[in-house]
Amino acid sequence: SQQGEEDPQALSIQEGENATMNCSYKTSINNLQWYRQNSGRGLVHLILIRSNEREKHSGRLRVTLDTSKKSSSLLITASRAADTASYFCATDAFELTGGGNKLTFGTGTQLKVEL
Amino acid sequence: GAGVSQSPSNKVTEKGKDVELRCDPISGHTALYWYRQRLGQGLEFLIYFQGNSAPDKSGLPSDRFSAERTGESVSTLTIQRTQQEDSAVYLCASSWQGAREPQHFGDGTRLSIL
Repeated sequence: SQQGEEDPQALSIQEGENATMNCSYKTSINNLQWYRQNSGRGLVHLILIRSNEREKHSGRLRVTLDTSKKSSSLLITASRAADTASYFCATDAFELTGGGNKLTFGTGTQLKVEL
Repeated sequence: GAGVSQSPSNKVTEKGKDVELRCDPISGHTALYWYRQRLGQGLEFLIYFQGNSAPDKSGLPSDRFSAERTGESVSTLTIQRTQQEDSAVYLCASSWQGAREPQHFGDGTRLSIL
C-alpha cells in the first residue's frame, strides 16, 4: 500500500461545517505536506509541517502531526463551497544519506461542500 | 510566467505513437519532478531532476519512458510506442531544492491513447 493514505476517501458536508481529513504513513519522515487539487488542475500546496512540529495553522487550516502514530490530520474550519476539491498528503521519507528527494503522495480525500 | 507551465494541455494519439510532453518550471527552481495521475488516483512519482546531479529515474514504469532536462530549465518527458495504459494526466512540479519544500505544480497534460 502507499506511504500516505488518506481517510476518508470521500467527504460531503454542508457549508459552514468543519471538515477533517486524516493521513497515515509508514516510514519515518522529514516533513509532511498537504495539497489541494481542483478538478482538472494541478496541485496547490497548502501547508508543510516538519517532523519536530505537532501543530500548524494557516488561516482556516489546522494541521496536526503525530509521529508516534505516523498520522496527520487536516482540519478545514467554516468550510465554503469553494473548498470543494481533492486533498492529498505527501511525505518526504527520511533517509540517512542526505535526506529524501521525493514526495510520496496518498490517494486523496474528495471533499464536497454543499450550499 | 510566474507558474509552472506544461504543454500541450491535452494530447490524443493512437496506440504505438511516440509523444513528447513539455514542462517549463519556475525560474530559479533547481528541482523538477514528473508525476503520473490516473483517473481518481493519487500521484505516482516518475522522475526527479536536481541541478546537475544524475536524475532519479526510479519511478519510470518501463524503458518506453524517458525524460531530459536542460540545465535548470525546460524538461521533456517522452513516451515511446504508447499503450492504452499510458492514458493519464502527467503533472510536472518544481521547487527551490527538493522535497523538503513546497512543490509548485503545472496543470498537467491529459494524455489519451486511442
